[in-house]
Amino acid sequence: QQQVKQSPQSLIVQKGGISIINCAYENTAFDYFPWYQQFPGKGPALLIAIRPDVSEKKEGRFTISFNKSAKQFSLHIMDSQPGDSATYFCAASRGSGTYKYIFGTGTRLKVLA
Amino acid sequence: DTGVSQDPRHKITKRGQNVTFRCDPISEHNRLYWYRQTLGQGPEFLTYFQNEAQLEKSRLLSDRFSAERPKGSFSTLEIQRTEQGDSAMYLCASSDGMSVGPQHFGDGTRLSIL
Repeated sequence: QQQVKQSPQSLIVQKGGISIINCAYENTAFDYFPWYQQFPGKGPALLIAIRPDVSEKKEGRFTISFNKSAKQFSLHIMDSQPGDSATYFCAASRGSGTYKYIFGTGTRLKVLA
Repeated sequence: DTGVSQDPRHKITKRGQNVTFRCDPISEHNRLYWYRQTLGQGPEFLTYFQNEAQLEKSRLLSDRFSAERPKGSFSTLEIQRTEQGDSAMYLCASSDGMSVGPQHFGDGTRLSIL
């Protein structure tokens, strides 16, 4: 129940295309869902996050879509650029206790120029 | 906002040695987390501090691991009698507020056990 399943493991997209990464969770106590971007040798950097009271959140080229009934959420990167090539992690956290994150296994994105 | 700082960035040591890592969180953040990340995997929670109190430890944190956060500021993570399986990136994150929200990560300490 603590797992967050992420897919695909890797993704190749043409420049200007849309990158879509999906995550699914089981624990209905989760109520905060962030996405992180990580470059080699660096720590994860927060991209965007959503709470389950909204179905979509957009920040620039990044959009989270959230489906509470299906317990799924996804990251859409519009107009993907070579600089977006990185590993992306979804995570989930409960709204009580320590607020620790449970991370997905990551998606390695490569955007071709 | 100077961000979360971790030191050292890289540590190479022989099996059986003790190592200590330091994390300086964002100054006004009262919550501090340690995670471990192995190659090709997402970070895994190790332990959590609220101010100086260590409030949760993962089962991943064996007796050889100890963490402290004296005075609720910087934190240290010590691994005693290191083993090959301890090789990983150790990440520190901090956050503020009274509810769940964004955690800000440092660039980690990469530990290699020879």
